[in-house]
Amino acid sequence: DAKTTQPPSMDCAEGRAANLPCNHSTISGNEYVYWYRQIHSQGPQYIIHGLKNNETNEMASLIITEDRKSSTLILPHATLRDTAVYYCIVRVPIIQGAQKLVFGQGTRLTINP
Amino acid sequence: KAGVTQTPRYLIKTRGQQVTLSCSPISGHRSVSWYQQTPGQGLQFLFEYFSETQRNKGNFPGRFSGRQFSNSRSEMNVSTLELGDSALYLCASSLLRQPANTGELFFGEGSRLTVL
Repeated sequence: DAKTTQPPSMDCAEGRAANLPCNHSTISGNEYVYWYRQIHSQGPQYIIHGLKNNETNEMASLIITEDRKSSTLILPHATLRDTAVYYCIVRVPIIQGAQKLVFGQGTRLTINP
Repeated sequence: KAGVTQTPRYLIKTRGQQVTLSCSPISGHRSVSWYQQTPGQGLQFLFEYFSETQRNKGNFPGRFSGRQFSNSRSEMNVSTLELGDSALYLCASSLLRQPANTGELFFGEGSRLTVL
């Protein structure tokens, strides 16, 4: 699985959009970009994933550059409950027997009131 | 729909003892994987089970083992505990046979093990 690089920490004001970057310059053609987050003392929570098109769900938007070497997770209206560590992971789609996720150090996002 | 349930949530053991942790996946999920989380090493993959068979294994010593039952529930065991085994142990389940372009693992709250 490709290696990702994320800033160790970020701050964002409540109500503003939080934009979390991720570099994955060695991503291969069949690898997807996944985002998970971990709120303190809880298990990681899936947020969103994508291959090359931008994706949006009820939690966030994922913007992937055309060359796929980087992506940005956008939380459109951040709340205090969005304070968490956000992990960007690139990997091939899940197939039988390949559930392994490789977590980096992630970005610690703090939403300030 | 109930989430992934892990028991116990907290436990304290002493060096040399062994521990068994339990994980009940979401109903219908047949794949269960385990992760160890420590402040120094972060989240690391331990192993993954599907249909009672270990399908993938991380880089951990043989003291770490697991199994899966016919009802998809899983247990992991750590023998001869060391201080460095103190960690949050997380279980995740997923529904295989889903479209290949999904990647959602559902994690439990974890079992926090302290080794004294």
